[in-house]
Amino acid sequence: SAVISQKPSRDICQRGTSLTIQCQVDSQVTMMFWYRQQPGQSLTLIATANQGSEATYESGFVIDKFPISRPNLTFSTLTVSNMSPEDSSIYLCSVWGNTEAFFGQGTRLTVV
Amino acid sequence: GIQVEQSPPDLILQEGANSTLRCNFSDSVNNLQWFHQNPWGQLINLFYIPSGTKQNGRLSATTVATERYSLLYISSSQTTDSGVYFCAVFPIQGAQKLVFGQGTRLTINP
Repeated sequence: SAVISQKPSRDICQRGTSLTIQCQVDSQVTMMFWYRQQPGQSLTLIATANQGSEATYESGFVIDKFPISRPNLTFSTLTVSNMSPEDSSIYLCSVWGNTEAFFGQGTRLTVV
Repeated sequence: GIQVEQSPPDLILQEGANSTLRCNFSDSVNNLQWFHQNPWGQLINLFYIPSGTKQNGRLSATTVATERYSLLYISSSQTTDSGVYFCAVFPIQGAQKLVFGQGTRLTINP
């Protein structure tokens, strides 16, 4: 299994500002994944972060809004930029073990 | 792309009751996982079960891959079982990513 540490666990932010979420894994992994879960909804993949290359974004998500860094094989950040109340969600990072996906504890973001 | 449907969407039970949650998927998969999301938002891995049956304490799961469904059984429910249960699959063909169902919200009343 993989142990994933994600922070902050929650934050309340003003609209128009940006928040950077950090994700640390206890082992080296090729790919890290960022998900968004809007209130009462399921999880949606934002992007896949590969070390040493640009992140790959899913349809509906753009780099200007959700820039991602992946400086090494155990760490990634997701920034939510120029936030609006519609960005209020839980953001989760994820990695794959040998056969299954594991998730961090999530960042609960509220934009006011 | 692959469709993942979970039922029921909501389930309210008394402590001690048993429950069965269902996950139907529209195409062949090589990975199926069940997760429990607790009230704090954390996703907890319950089962990796692309086929067959597994048991872990009061929880068990069965996946019939040929018929494209999986069942999660919870016996003798406790209030701590409350939360949202998600089924997620990784399709053999199509977009290579984990696809989640909409979840079943389970409420266990004391």
